[in-house]
Amino acid sequence: AQKITQTQPGMFVQEKEAVTLDCTYDTSDPSYGLFWYKQPSSGEMIFLIYQGSYDQQNATEGRYSLNFQKARKSANLVISASQLGDSAMYFCAMRGPDSGAGSYQLTFGKGTKLSVIP
Amino acid sequence: NAGVTQTPKFQVLKTGQSMTLQCAQDMNHEYMSWYRQDPGMGLRLIHYSVGAGITDQGEVPNGYNVSRSTTEDFPLRLLSAAPSQTSVYFCASSAGITSGNTIYFGEGSWLTVV
Repeated sequence: AQKITQTQPGMFVQEKEAVTLDCTYDTSDPSYGLFWYKQPSSGEMIFLIYQGSYDQQNATEGRYSLNFQKARKSANLVISASQLGDSAMYFCAMRGPDSGAGSYQLTFGKGTKLSVIP
Repeated sequence: NAGVTQTPKFQVLKTGQSMTLQCAQDMNHEYMSWYRQDPGMGLRLIHYSVGAGITDQGEVPNGYNVSRSTTEDFPLRLLSAAPSQTSVYFCASSAGITSGNTIYFGEGSWLTVV
């Protein structure tokens, strides 16, 4: 069974500073995908970044980067130059192996609430 | 781009009533799924579909039915609503493992059962 652990229920960061949101995962599958989603107070789930288990380089998308440490089974999200609009819940999620129904289903962590301070 | 569209956005039901949450996507995605989100929790999978005519259960399927008659639509039915089904429901779609790996979500449907 897959499991995602986010150990930080809440985080504070000063505007324009960088922040790291932790995510560890557990799976016995050699092939998997890791996602980060942002959920603002309005409730929608916004895709931020994806990392495949076989990707050699850490994923980056604008101000978001994923610090992927496969041996440690961690996939931390780094947000650079935080903005007030980054205040939201952030969820780490895992997709199953690259075959069958598990390839598109997501297992979610419980989330981290990020608050950006002016 | 419409993406994944869910209706209604808000609904209040009485215990025992039935209703259907609608989900439609315009991206020609094969895979669609329904999740629920409870306070302090991440999303949990209710049901999913790998294509028209094919559905299966996820982690928390009890009390819900689904069908997939077309590629575009994937409705979620609550047959006899219970207070435990008070939650936020998200529909998601994906083109699959060769798509660039993104799973897209609708904006959510807030359901309260009283």
